[in-house]
Amino acid sequence: GIQVEQSPPDLILQEGANSTLRCNFSDSVNNLQWFHQNPWGQLINLFYIPSGTKQNGRLSATTVATERYSLLYISSSQTTDSGVYFCAVGPPLTSGTYKYIFGTGTRLKVLA
Amino acid sequence: EPEVTQTPSHQVTQMGQEVILRCVPISNHLYFYWYRQILGQKVEFLVSFYNNEISEKSEIFDDQFSVERPDGSNFTLKIRSTKLEDSAMYFCASIWTVGNTIYFGEGSWLTVV
Repeated sequence: GIQVEQSPPDLILQEGANSTLRCNFSDSVNNLQWFHQNPWGQLINLFYIPSGTKQNGRLSATTVATERYSLLYISSSQTTDSGVYFCAVGPPLTSGTYKYIFGTGTRLKVLA
Repeated sequence: EPEVTQTPSHQVTQMGQEVILRCVPISNHLYFYWYRQILGQKVEFLVSFYNNEISEKSEIFDDQFSVERPDGSNFTLKIRSTKLEDSAMYFCASIWTVGNTIYFGEGSWLTVV
């Protein structure tokens, strides 16, 4: 099955700093989403981004499907950005499977 | 934004008891999922459900687990005889079709004591 690796596993930033989180996947995918898991455990959908670039406020994401990676950029980080960031990939339509696979996660802590 | 809703948000149960976790997927969605996350670990696939039957399940989803869509709106996960290692956050999710945005509920924390 598809392997999804994220880096770095842990990241500590000072408030106001910028960061880049990476998601690598081992096979072609039909969907890629980024999630923020908040301290209460909820998965907050950030981006649906199977390819291309999107921006939402201080966050942006880029997926280069042909090279099998996606990047999540966080600019001017705030303490409320703390939590775990996951990417999840959906299978190609020809794969015969419907399951979405989560990456290993990046745990981000933003210090005031 | 459309919502997947889950109940209960938190349940504490004795080892060996049966637990039912409930989910209401988004109304026009066709594919439904349960995922599990043990504290501090990644989110793991349990089972997918389409056209009123299981379409795929992981090795975690053994005979202790079952899923049902009893009335066309609810989607349930039953754990027949809970073990300590079943303590985890359980997420329900749904999509309209493969490749579309997957929506997750807020999760149900299960603590087995």
